[in-house]
Amino acid sequence: EPEVTQTPSHQVTQMGQEVILRCVPISNHLYFYWYRQILGQKVEFLVSFYNNEISEKSEIFDDQFSVERPDGSNFTLKIRSTKLEDSAMYFCASKLLAVYEQYFGPGTRLTVT
Amino acid sequence: GENVEQHPSTLSVQEGDSAVIKCTYSDSASNYFPWYKQELGKGPQLIIDIRSNVGEKKDQRIAVTLNKTAKHFSLHITETQPEDSAVYFCAASIGGSYIPTFGRGTSLIVHP
Repeated sequence: EPEVTQTPSHQVTQMGQEVILRCVPISNHLYFYWYRQILGQKVEFLVSFYNNEISEKSEIFDDQFSVERPDGSNFTLKIRSTKLEDSAMYFCASKLLAVYEQYFGPGTRLTVT
Repeated sequence: GENVEQHPSTLSVQEGDSAVIKCTYSDSASNYFPWYKQELGKGPQLIIDIRSNVGEKKDQRIAVTLNKTAKHFSLHITETQPEDSAVYFCAASIGGSYIPTFGRGTSLIVHP
């Protein structure tokens, strides 16, 4: 069964450093998403991406964040200058056009020290 | 925006018992309600969903009910098994948005 994959599984970085989280969505999916989950809290929407551009973003997704689909398979989330409060689990998800069902990857645990 | 409340935060049951998790939502425009199961170290996995034109949906041991008037929906798991132990999230999406707003999650523990 096709699945969303994410790398790395765990990333440790120092405050102020740039990080790139990588995702490979399911191959025929057209919508891509990033969510984050701070330990013990709700899963929160960050951004959705369709047709090579951002379609929606939340208040969390400020100028420090960017997304890119650099090739036909990868979908990346970049945090330019990490803060302690960026420490969280980051999930990538994808879906087909005009359906609700999203499929989540296993997540990347980001730890900012 | 939409706000989803979920109860209880922790639910402990004996194997074979039923488990019920309840959620409420605030925006009457929400029309899609998925439930996700998250096992340790994994991402949320869609286990069942319901749309606002349906009151109940079943899939083997799991069922979801929706009361649009009261703006609440519930997950029912019958004949629980230890492998049902996980965190369960409810969510609600406003029509046309496709972006789910999640509840805080319920940690279900099934004791053998």
